[in-house]
Amino acid sequence: QKEVEQDPGPLSVPEGAIVSLNCTYSNSAFQYFMWYRQYSRKGPELLMYTYSSGNKEDGRFTAQVDKSSKYISLFIRDSQPSDSATYLCAWNAGGTSYGKLTFGQGTILTVHP
Amino acid sequence: GAVVSQHPSWVICKSGTSVKIECRSLDFQATTMFWYRQFPKQSLMLMATSNEGSKATYEQGVEKDKFLINHASLTLSTLTVTSAHPEDSSFYICSARGGRAGNEQFFGPGTRLTVL
Repeated sequence: QKEVEQDPGPLSVPEGAIVSLNCTYSNSAFQYFMWYRQYSRKGPELLMYTYSSGNKEDGRFTAQVDKSSKYISLFIRDSQPSDSATYLCAWNAGGTSYGKLTFGQGTILTVHP
Repeated sequence: GAVVSQHPSWVICKSGTSVKIECRSLDFQATTMFWYRQFPKQSLMLMATSNEGSKATYEQGVEKDKFLINHASLTLSTLTVTSAHPEDSSFYICSARGGRAGNEQFFGPGTRLTVL
């Protein structure tokens, strides 16, 4: 079983739609949860970072973590064409492994006008 | 946020040659730098962790003699792909954390390596 499973997509949605991106993980040692956005041929940029179960909101983005189910989601409201990118979930185990990120496979999102 | 640069952004080389990729933290001192590899339509895979002034720690399956990492200063780490082969063609991305950047990792823009 892979440590991280991410809905592969690709997703294609109209502008203004609500987007839901999902990942599951199996490693109970994961403590920190992140969502990155990666445009084509660019490095990833951090969108959201959290370490507790529940919701965290930042503008049009909401990250949801359910540690009991080992499940995280990213919701994008009022999606824009500029949101078109690959979205990567990532985890960090903390402790001596702090800083070592494990990434999901990525979901390609296209928002069309 | 903090800025990380990579050079070159794109390199083409002949099989058997060595290629050096630089990763720089421009406005903070990076105590730790990470090197990732990303194949087309795949996710990032960590290759090695590099702490300033010490030897890099390589992930399982990554050949340390083929991928030489040097982290000689708090703002510069280099990855040298030695005796490159076509299967080494990939997108190499570094990240850095430390100093005023704290525990967050900031990623460079990546280097696309094509080995002919």
